[in-house]
Amino acid sequence: DTAVSQTPKYLVTQMGNDKSIKCEQNLGHDTMYWYKQDSKKFLKIMFSYNNKELIINETVPNRFSPKSPDKAHLNLHINSLELGDSAVYFCASSHLAGSSYNEQFFGPGTRLTVL
Amino acid sequence: AQSVAQPEDQVNVAEGNPLTVKCTYSVSGNPYLFWYVQYPNRGLQFLLKYITGDNLVKGSYGFEAEFNKSQTSFHLKKPSALVSDSALYFCAVRVPISGNTPLVFGKGTRLSVIA
Repeated sequence: DTAVSQTPKYLVTQMGNDKSIKCEQNLGHDTMYWYKQDSKKFLKIMFSYNNKELIINETVPNRFSPKSPDKAHLNLHINSLELGDSAVYFCASSHLAGSSYNEQFFGPGTRLTVL
Repeated sequence: AQSVAQPEDQVNVAEGNPLTVKCTYSVSGNPYLFWYVQYPNRGLQFLLKYITGDNLVKGSYGFEAEFNKSQTSFHLKKPSALVSDSALYFCAVRVPISGNTPLVFGKGTRLSVIA
């Protein structure tokens, strides 16, 4: 039983295309996150949702649009893909509820390659 | 703004020897500090965290870390390294101002344990 799952695991696409990555957690957490890990393994927060409400939105191009249909799901849609979008995207979840000391649980990652 | 520094890109240690992976932080206020490990082609896994109280924190797989407020450090340690400990280690910090402050990661340190 995977706690945080992402689909697809690998995504290869052409520049200019639109693609989506899906994330689901079965931990009962109320907060979910998207991170981007670049080729140098640097990990940076992109978005965070708490109870389907956007609470963190870092300086990410508006081509990236997260959507949270419910507390257990957080999807990431990317329009007009660019070469620089190539990275590994990680979804994570945690209990928030006003407590920023709770650890986050990460999905296995989606490796996006833009050609 | 909060930040984390991991001064070593790579740490090499012989199996059975003690290991240390260094982390220093910069925040306004008291930090919440975390260590995560990433095995190849996997998501991050939580190892341990410091919230408050005892400066020595014990975590998974025999790892521990010591919070040192005067040196603003949170070094990860293990008394006897295993080859299976070889992975990428991330230190992270969060400031407990409110629930919507992001978790900020260091750039990671690659640990290589040699048999």
